[in-house]
Amino acid sequence: QSALTQPPSASGSPGQSVTISCTGTSGDVGGYNYVSWYQQHPGKAPKLMIYEVTKRPSGVPDRFSGSKSGNTASLTVSGLQAEDEADYYCISYAGSTNALFGGGTKLTVL
Amino acid sequence: EVQLVESGGGLVQPGRSLKLSCTASGFTFGDYAMSWVRQAPGKGLEWVGFIRGKPSGGTTEYAASVKGRFTISRDDSKSIAYLQMNSLKTEDTAVYYCARVPYSSGPYYFDYWGQGTLVTVSS
Repeated sequence: QSALTQPPSASGSPGQSVTISCTGTSGDVGGYNYVSWYQQHPGKAPKLMIYEVTKRPSGVPDRFSGSKSGNTASLTVSGLQAEDEADYYCISYAGSTNALFGGGTKLTVL
Repeated sequence: EVQLVESGGGLVQPGRSLKLSCTASGFTFGDYAMSWVRQAPGKGLEWVGFIRGKPSGGTTEYAASVKGRFTISRDDSKSIAYLQMNSLKTEDTAVYYCARVPYSSGPYYFDYWGQGTLVTVSS
């Protein structure tokens, strides 16, 4: 199975909103409500930001939200802040034996 | 507090073997599936594989790129997950992360990650 498709980069000014997409197929993103999003700052481990498409773990600001339509999931960051500048990855459950990863999106806060 | 600490990384020659450990604390280790994810220098995340928790039989699944060369195991009495890497190739050079799956079965998502350990395969 191919990796999930993410745009390589995204950007926005402080206070603005940015949406990052993650496109798969009916066998992964479209077939299950198990899309998750991770934030990774340089030299750091990934951090779970969104799970099961729309849910936020405790401690993640409500500026981060997730959604899905068909085979495409999205992460929206509202009220951009400087500390949101990082790489973001989507991951989708793809059946009991597999997880598919997106290629990552570098978010730049202008 | 959930903590995952990887160890065992280092420099290894192509064709040789290396075994990584992931020591867990702060939760009932045996109840959860554990996964390994790697990241080559300057590249994105890549799933390596996972091992189901005891309630789901402790079975394993692997990415095609490592199947037959890498083996994931676990010692629930010590709260440690292992990644045995054989026949290493230069393209296996990466930071290796262990991550917890908040279920005993399939790789739904990963709620806690270790800090990673660097494996460099080079002659």
